[in-house]
Amino acid sequence: GEDVEQSLFLSVREGDSSVINCTYTDSSSTYLYWYKQEPGAGLQLLTYIFSNMDMKQDQRLTVLLNKKDKHLSLRIADTQTGDSAIYFCAEIYGQNFVFGPGTRLSVLP
Amino acid sequence: KAGVTQTPRYLIKTRGQQVTLSCSPISGHRSVSWYQQTPGQGLQFLFEYFSETQRNKGNFPGRFSGRQFSNSRSEMNVSTLELGDSALYLCASSLAGGVSSGANVLTFGAGSRLTVL
Repeated sequence: GEDVEQSLFLSVREGDSSVINCTYTDSSSTYLYWYKQEPGAGLQLLTYIFSNMDMKQDQRLTVLLNKKDKHLSLRIADTQTGDSAIYFCAEIYGQNFVFGPGTRLSVLP
Repeated sequence: KAGVTQTPRYLIKTRGQQVTLSCSPISGHRSVSWYQQTPGQGLQFLFEYFSETQRNKGNFPGRFSGRQFSNSRSEMNVSTLELGDSALYLCASSLAGGVSSGANVLTFGAGSRLTVL
């Protein structure tokens, strides 16, 4: 069945880089997504990557995709306190989005 | 362009009651999906509606139901509420939904937080 896995917690110091990792199930997933959830809010799309790409960069965000290992990562450069949130990776399995459990990123001053 | 609007934002019910939550998608979006978010289970897919038809359904009991209107607005209903139904219910809209050509981006509302006492 579908199962997207993420580590649950990550703490970094302000200014450092954060790397959030995810493993997914469906090797046929065409797109893979990263969403961010701030307290009291819904999920906000950060970025997505097409499965024929290895890397996608968008300002401070870098997404790396290893299809062979079904591994996705999100790197946030120069992490700021405003980046503190829960980060979800997601794939489309069958016809539905499947989300990981979310990684709670804490940014320490 | 207005985002996805969910009402009410917060509500408190007691066991055995029923509740109806509303979702207005982004203008032009025809697909509306519902998710339940709890600390223990994370984000779980409830169902998806497209052009007034339920297209996909998650593994939830029949107490959970929904519908979509001709203007794409959607409602979900939970009958005979249980304590375990306490959760944040998130609605998301997209242009086409499901598996489609191109990246299928979900845009989420802020959610309706339901507390069952």
